[in-house]
Amino acid sequence: GENVEQHPSTLSVQEGDSAVIKCTYSDSASNYFPWYKQELGKGPQLIIDIRSNVGEKKDQRIAVTLNKTAKHFSLHITETQPEDSAVYFCAASIGGGSNYKLTFGKGTLLTVNP
Amino acid sequence: GAGVSQTPSNKVTEKGKYVELRCDPISGHTALYWYRQSLGQGPEFLIYFQGTGAADDSGLPNDRFFAVRPEGSVSTLKIQRTERGDSAVYLCASKRTVNTGELFFGEGSRLTVL
Repeated sequence: GENVEQHPSTLSVQEGDSAVIKCTYSDSASNYFPWYKQELGKGPQLIIDIRSNVGEKKDQRIAVTLNKTAKHFSLHITETQPEDSAVYFCAASIGGGSNYKLTFGKGTLLTVNP
Repeated sequence: GAGVSQTPSNKVTEKGKYVELRCDPISGHTALYWYRQSLGQGPEFLIYFQGTGAADDSGLPNDRFFAVRPEGSVSTLKIQRTERGDSAVYLCASKRTVNTGELFFGEGSRLTVL
């Protein structure tokens, strides 16, 4: 099955700096790669996603890049704010065209210091 | 409510007892998922429903775990003869359809087996 590795496990940045989280996946059939933000005591919330026919996607301060050849994808957060502090998970879908079954990384605890 | 609702939010039980966890998906969402999240880990897929039927239950760890969705809306995850290793947060999520749209998670049911 699919295996998703995520690094780093913790990341601490100063407010206004950029943060980058990286993930690799093993199944070349995976074609959908979402990123989730999870705050303490809450369920994960989708913040951005990318499909395999696109190399990069941006949404305001958040961007995701995908390198299918290397089987890795990254989350970039610019101009970080204290409210960005949370655990971030990357995920990949199994099964080609269907994205029903997501495999998650172990998460990155991002701390933005004011 | 507008989101995925899970009850109970917290459940403490003794080893060997039977537990039911309930999920009320977003109205109109046909696809429903159960994930399990252990401390410091990403969510792990358990089972998903398309309508009333379990389309994929390959993530259920053993036959002590069972889930139903009899009317295609509310789902119940049932755990028999609970073990300490079952302690985790059980997350429910729903989507409008299995292949399109954002996956919305509930806040989870935290199960503690003593």
